[in-house]
Amino acid sequence: DTAVSQTPKYLVTQMGNDKSIKCEQNLGHDTMYWYKQDSKKFLKIMFSYNNKELIINETVPNRFSPKSPDKAHLNLHINSLELGDSAVYFCASSQDEQENTEAFFGQGTRLTVV
Amino acid sequence: EDQVTQSPEALRLQEGESSSLNCSYTVSGLRGLFWYRQDPGKGPEFLFTLYSAGEEKEKERLKATLTKKESFLHITAPKPEDSATYLCAVDYSGAGSYQLTFGKGTKLSVIP
Repeated sequence: DTAVSQTPKYLVTQMGNDKSIKCEQNLGHDTMYWYKQDSKKFLKIMFSYNNKELIINETVPNRFSPKSPDKAHLNLHINSLELGDSAVYFCASSQDEQENTEAFFGQGTRLTVV
Repeated sequence: EDQVTQSPEALRLQEGESSSLNCSYTVSGLRGLFWYRQDPGKGPEFLFTLYSAGEEKEKERLKATLTKKESFLHITAPKPEDSATYLCAVDYSGAGSYQLTFGKGTKLSVIP
């Protein structure tokens, strides 16, 4: 059983297109996240959702929008894709209890904008 | 200024040659320090969480320690399968709720 799964694993698309990446977790966690890993392998948080509420929104372009239909899913929608959006996007989830805050990550989606 | 700094950026070890990776942090109000392992083409895999200075945790050949300013990941008698990028991250009260701030990682290569 995959704890945090995201699809697709690879996504190649042209500039200007709109695309979505899906994420699902079966861990019963309270919070889900989207992270971006750039070409230098630096992981940086983009968004997190707790009980369907956006609780963190880093300074990412508003072309990026997270959507959570329920506690187990957090999808990432990207409008008007740009070359600089090329990166690996990771979904993660955590329980958010006092002594149990570690995040578990999906396998990543490698987005290439051409 | 980076809030989480890892060193070295890359480390090559012979199989069986023990060493340590460093993670220093400048944030205040630390709620937890996390170590992850990342293999090429995969997501980070959780290893340890440390919550307070003096705490230590072990898993197989890995041992993580924490002081007020830094953490070390000690690797004892490494094997080639320990080759990976090791990421350090902090969760602190100045950030959003349970947000992880990552360092840039140490790429470890263990040569047979």
